[in-house]
This record gives sequence, structure tokens and C-alpha cells, in this order.
Amino acid sequence: DTGVSQDPRHKITKRGQNVTFRCDPISEHNRLYWYRQTLGQGPEFLTYFQNEAQLEKSRLLSDRFSAERPKGSFSTLEIQRTEQGDSAMYLCASSPGGATEQYFGPGTRLTVT
Amino acid sequence: AQSVAQPEDQVNVAEGNPLTVKCTYSVSGNPYLFWYVQYPNRGLQFLLKYITGDNLVKGSYGFEAEFNKSQTSFHLKKPSALVSDSALYFCAVRDYGGATNKLIFGTGTLLAVQP
Repeated sequence: DTGVSQDPRHKITKRGQNVTFRCDPISEHNRLYWYRQTLGQGPEFLTYFQNEAQLEKSRLLSDRFSAERPKGSFSTLEIQRTEQGDSAMYLCASSPGGATEQYFGPGTRLTVT
Repeated sequence: AQSVAQPEDQVNVAEGNPLTVKCTYSVSGNPYLFWYVQYPNRGLQFLLKYITGDNLVKGSYGFEAEFNKSQTSFHLKKPSALVSDSALYFCAVRDYGGATNKLIFGTGTLLAVQP
């Protein structure tokens, strides 16, 4: 399967702990997006990478959140000092340059207890 | 600001009947519109998009969508529903702010197809 992959699929953590998620986009897709989806809502944009450059961050991305895409391939999203309000599905998507549709991974479901 | 609205939280339809899932949009320019489907505990799967051209767009799994500029709508349709079509459907619009092509999603419509 050459789709977008995300790891882990599920993460349960205690409030105050740090967590890191990984996304592997479709090979040769230079655009990578992170979204967050809470129950009963559509996905909301968090941040965007073009190759290794982080070009846009949403206001939803507080200082506790950081994302990287060091070599323009996989990306990581880290949440420091997790809060219960961080519980959500974190979705990664990728697209080739010039295309408009995005291809989503299966998501990482985070539960903060 | 760009936005989409999905006025129905849930749509119920009998298998074999036609289905429509509604979406209206608000954009400042020409809209780029999308439909995605989400099965339980899965990511979103791309169904179809409207960029320009024919108002009737055909997509995956027999779905199609009709773009109506005067009504600012982009409704998803299928002539004959299957039980396996039961899922959560999201309409989305491309945001024009910056060059990210980020998507703005509606709140989703749960489609339930009864056998």
C-alpha cells in the first residue's frame, strides 16, 4: 500500500505527558498537511509543509505543539504537556505540487486522561 | 472567509433509492469544492472535486455531485444507494488565504442506508 501512513494509530497518555506522532506521506508528494478532528466535527487545519519548509500554522497550534519535516519526507507532530482538550483524531494528508485534492492517512487517535 | 455548510446531520435512505447529501458554500472567488467520505476509525477518502467546467462531476464508487453557482450548492448524489455507502460524508472548500491549498471542512453528514 503506497498511501499515507501514520503511527501510532492510537495513543493514550496522561495529562502533562509529551507525545509525538509520525506521518509518512505518499512518496514524492511535496505538500504535507496536519489536521485535527474532534467528535462531531470536520477536520480543522493545523499546519502545512512544502518540502521541509513549514509555511503556515493555524492559530489552533498553540506553543505546546510543534511540527517538523526535516528532510521533506516524513513529518512529526509533537504535543508537549498534553491537556484533556488535546484529545482528538490527528490526521495527516499529502498532495503533489500543483494538485488540489489531498490524500489522508488513517489518523492517530489521542486520548488524554 | 471561505466556508461550507452541511445542513443535515444525518440522512436516511433505503437501499436502492437515490441519495442526496447537501452542501452549500460561501467563497470570495471561484470555488474549489470537494467531497470526502470517512468510514469508522479511518481517515478521509477523496470522492470527487469541482474546479471548473461541467457542473456535474463524477467521482468514485458511483457518486456524483452537482455544482450550482446561483444556489451556491454542491450536493452529492448517487442514483442507487448501497448499504456499504453508510458512512460520514464531508464537503470541503479550498481556502484562498495564502498558497497552502488547505481545506475547510463542513461538520459532516452521516449517511445511513437501510437494507
